[in-house]
Amino acid sequence: AQSVSQHNHHVILSEAASLELGCNYSYGGTVNLFWYVQYPGQHLQLLLKYFSGDPLVKGIKGFEAEFIKSKFSFNLRKPSVQWSDTAEYFCAVFVYNQGGKLIFGQGTELSVKP
Amino acid sequence: DVKVTQSSRYLVKRTGEKVFLECVQDMDHENMFWYRQDPGLGLRLIYFSYDVKMKEKGDIPEGYSVSREKKERFSLILESASTNQTSMYLCASSSQDPGNLYEQYFGPGTRLTVT
Repeated sequence: AQSVSQHNHHVILSEAASLELGCNYSYGGTVNLFWYVQYPGQHLQLLLKYFSGDPLVKGIKGFEAEFIKSKFSFNLRKPSVQWSDTAEYFCAVFVYNQGGKLIFGQGTELSVKP
Repeated sequence: DVKVTQSSRYLVKRTGEKVFLECVQDMDHENMFWYRQDPGLGLRLIYFSYDVKMKEKGDIPEGYSVSREKKERFSLILESASTNQTSMYLCASSSQDPGNLYEQYFGPGTRLTVT
């Protein structure tokens, strides 16, 4: 079965540190890729998405992600985190033969210390 | 702006009770989904629906059922609540238009506690 794996369960950083959250998926066909974020007490919202074209995708709040097809990866990055980036981050994959479902990773909790 | 609303933010029920969780979306989306979110497990799909009166089992349908009588409304039913169904329940919707890349829009969630 298709799966999505996020390597880090909990990441703790100081403000201004650089961030990279790993995401790998296990499907070899055409995929759409997403990163969602859930700030404390808020609903899940889209951070960025990829479907084709430039493998480096820019999202909101200075986040970006790079799709590396050969590695089945879609890692999320931010050069300098802020305390307000404290949240839980979910990677998700849409697989075209799975009929409209998104497959989510386990989530990574990011804590940024001021 | 897409809006997905859920009937309750917090709910406390007793073991054995029948529980209804309601979800409404206002963007005329064809697809609707119910997930549960548990620490360390991410989001797990319970049921989804592509159209009125149709439903598909997700990854963890046991102990749940759903109803979709109208396009904008998708209900999750716990026939006989159990303590292991204590969780955060998230509703989502998406368009079937491929141009929207199947992006899902989420509601605020219902935190259900079964005692």
